Amino acid sequence: DIQMTQSPSTLSASVGDRVTITCRASQSISSWLAWYQQKPGKAPKLLIYKASSLESGVPSRFSGSGSGTEFTLTISSLQPDDFATYYCQQYNTYWTFGQGTKVEIK
Amino acid sequence: EVQLVQSGAEVKKPGESLKISCKGSGYTFTNYWIGWVRQMPGKGLEWMGIIYPGDSDKRYSQSFQGQVTISADKSISTAYLQWSSLKASDTAIYYCARQPGIVVVGASDAFDIWGQGTMVTVSS
Repeated sequence: DIQMTQSPSTLSASVGDRVTITCRASQSISSWLAWYQQKPGKAPKLLIYKASSLESGVPSRFSGSGSGTEFTLTISSLQPDDFATYYCQQYNTYWTFGQGTKVEIK
Repeated sequence: EVQLVQSGAEVKKPGESLKISCKGSGYTFTNYWIGWVRQMPGKGLEWMGIIYPGDSDKRYSQSFQGQVTISADKSISTAYLQWSSLKASDTAIYYCARQPGIVVVGASDAFDIWGQGTMVTVSS
């Protein structure tokens, strides 16, 4: 099975900060990686697919990069609505999620 | 509007059976895979399995094979997740989600539409 490891587990930041979350795969997944945002009591929401493609309707301050085994999600200027938990997911071989990164207010 | 609407919260006792549902609307239900994802209290997301309602082709995560059964009734655009004998450790929120691609290594897709989740509580 492909394992996904996110870092950090928790991130404290302020509105306006540039935020980067890293996701590593246990083996190469090419660009078959997605990022989701989940707020408390809500379903996950797709932000990025194929490592760097922005889902329709998602603000352009979100961006993704990487290929192979190392990937990043960047929020260029953190907004109040962005405080949430973020998950990466590989879909090269079935589907596996990272353990999540909680972005909280500093 | 494309949406998946799940059945309501359930409270069950250990050993009881349960079937929860996920109804698709706003798109051709038989053309997209529907996956199920577990989220235990305060924990992350785990893929459980997936079904293609067009022909009921399905796949299970090794972690959930034999523990749950996934099915679908395409005549009413509904997918199901069921347990024959619940355990306390099945307490979780269960999400269904749409997968637009095929299920082949290197050719699948992310989950683009999610249901609102069904909370299942198993307690004596």
